[in-house]
Amino acid sequence: QSALTQPRSVSGSLGQSVTISCTGTSSDVGGYNYVSWYQQHPGKAPKLIIYDVTKRPSGVPDRFSGSKSGNTASLTISGLQAEDEADYHCCSYTGTYTTFVFGTGTEVTVL
Amino acid sequence: EVQLVESGGGLVQPGGSLSLSCAVSGFPFTDYPMHWVRQGPGKGLVWVARISHDGTYTSYADFVKGRFAISRDDAKNTLSLQVNSLRVEDTAVYYCVRDSRNYGVDFWGQGTLVTVSS
Repeated sequence: QSALTQPRSVSGSLGQSVTISCTGTSSDVGGYNYVSWYQQHPGKAPKLIIYDVTKRPSGVPDRFSGSKSGNTASLTISGLQAEDEADYHCCSYTGTYTTFVFGTGTEVTVL
Repeated sequence: EVQLVESGGGLVQPGGSLSLSCAVSGFPFTDYPMHWVRQGPGKGLVWVARISHDGTYTSYADFVKGRFAISRDDAKNTLSLQVNSLRVEDTAVYYCVRDSRNYGVDFWGQGTLVTVSS
């Protein structure tokens, strides 16, 4: 199972919006509405911020939103804050022996 | 509060073995499947293995089959990963992760570092 493709890095100014793409295949992202996103600050464990493509766990700010079109899922961060500077990882269910595939990871820089 | 605390990592020579553990608290352990996910230095997350809530079923990433074994001790609320025949490319932080029971994973431990080097 190959990793999902994410851009290596994206950047935006405080208050702006950025969108991170996550491209897979019809066997993972395109085949199921089970895409999740994780935020990871340096030296810390990942934290779930989006699940089931569009849903946010309680406590996650609504400036984080998810979507999907075909084999590509996207995470949008609106109104960028300094604390949003982190790595972001997507993940998709693959339907095979209940396993998952993660993305290559994207570093978000707040200018 | 959900807590996952890994231990057992360290420096090991190629071909060596380690036993990783994860102490779980804050939720009914026996209700949840569990996973191990790893992250190489400066790299992305990689799913490693899963065990069902009752330990009946296990599944592994292709690159670890036959070398790693996931298990659980429900009496001790502990998840384990036995890693054998280690290779340099197995160097990574290994995370204990809770299944969300909705085709995803939600809570993560802080990880334990495994370094394979001669």
